[in-house]
Amino acid sequence: EPEVTQTPSHQVTQMGQEVILRCVPISNHLYFYWYRQILGQKVEFLVSFYNNEISEKSEIFDDQFSVERPDGSNFTLKIRSTKLEDSAMYFCASILAGAYGYTFGSGTRLTVV
Amino acid sequence: AQRVTQPEKLLSVFKGAPVELKCNYSYSGSPELFWYVQYSRQRLQLLLRHISRESIKGFTADLNKGETSFHLKKPFAQEEDSAMYYCALRAVSGGSNYKLTFGKGTLLTVNP
Repeated sequence: EPEVTQTPSHQVTQMGQEVILRCVPISNHLYFYWYRQILGQKVEFLVSFYNNEISEKSEIFDDQFSVERPDGSNFTLKIRSTKLEDSAMYFCASILAGAYGYTFGSGTRLTVV
Repeated sequence: AQRVTQPEKLLSVFKGAPVELKCNYSYSGSPELFWYVQYSRQRLQLLLRHISRESIKGFTADLNKGETSFHLKKPFAQEEDSAMYYCALRAVSGGSNYKLTFGKGTLLTVNP
């Protein structure tokens, strides 16, 4: 069964540093998402991406965040200047189309120190 | 705006007992409801979606629009069902979104 792959599985970074979280969605999927889960809290929507542009973003997704799909396979989330409160598990997901369920990656645990 | 409420943070049952994980939602349109499961240290996996009306691993869930609920049920719990369960709602806006709104999750523990 095809999988969504996320790297790294765990990243530790210093406050103020830039981080890039990487995802390889399923190859024929068309819609891509980032969600995050702060420890002990619910999974929250960050951003959706379709047709090479952001289709919706949450209020969490401020100017410090950006997404890219530079080469047609990787889907990246960049945090420009990390804050302590960015520490969370970040999940990438993709779907073929609206009638289908999501496939989630295994997540990247980001720890900002 | 959409909201998903899972009133129980923790649920503990004995093996063989029935289990019901509650989920209520708030959404002005016609929702699509899902249950996702997360076993220890693993990724979120789709367990059920209401439009398919199938039974996975013995779990079922019925969408009750009158009560705005989508409770997850299993008549006889197994130890391997121990996991975190998330109810989620999908709404469509602008025809190119399909984002999910999650509840806070219920940690189910099935004791031997």
